[in-house]
Amino acid sequence: EPEVTQTPSHQVTQMGQEVILRCVPISNHLYFYWYRQILGQKVEFLVSFYNNEISEKSEIFDDQFSVERPDGSNFTLKIRSTKLEDSAMYFCASRGTARGNTIYFGEGSWLTVV
Amino acid sequence: SQQGEEDPQALSIQEGENATMNCSYKTSINNLQWYRQNSGRGLVHLILIRSNEREKHSGRLRVTLDTSKKSSSLLITASRAADTASYFCATDRLGGGADGLTFGKGTHLIIQP
Repeated sequence: EPEVTQTPSHQVTQMGQEVILRCVPISNHLYFYWYRQILGQKVEFLVSFYNNEISEKSEIFDDQFSVERPDGSNFTLKIRSTKLEDSAMYFCASRGTARGNTIYFGEGSWLTVV
Repeated sequence: SQQGEEDPQALSIQEGENATMNCSYKTSINNLQWYRQNSGRGLVHLILIRSNEREKHSGRLRVTLDTSKKSSSLLITASRAADTASYFCATDRLGGGADGLTFGKGTHLIIQP
């Protein structure tokens, strides 16, 4: 079964450093998402991406965050200058061609900011 | 309460028993999806129920949706130790375009052997 893959699975970074989290969505999907989950809390929406641009973003997704689809397969989340509170599990997800279909999630990237 | 609130927050039952988790939401939805998350792992999609459906089955899972009450339930029958996980409902907002899902806080299910 096709799946969303994410790298790295875990990254430790110093406060103030830039981090790039990578995702390969399911190949024929058109809608892409990033979510995060702080330890013990609920999954929070960050941003959605469609047709090579951001469709919607939450309040969490401030100027420190950016997303990119640099080629036909990768979808990246960049955090420009990490803060301690950015420590969380970051999930990439994708959805097929039709709005309203299942959203499939990757295994996540644990980010620890020290 | 927020969109996609599950209850109970935690549930502990004996293996073989049935587990029922509930979810309430506030806005009109296109569909509602249930996910499972094992500790520290990703979100595994379990089942999607559309707003015009009232009940759906998948193996030992049964999901109901009551749009008049803005609520859904997930029933796991004949529970197994491997069902121990957190379960989340997530709503797909009506007219949301490319919006993602809104998740609840989840129910942590523990199946005692």
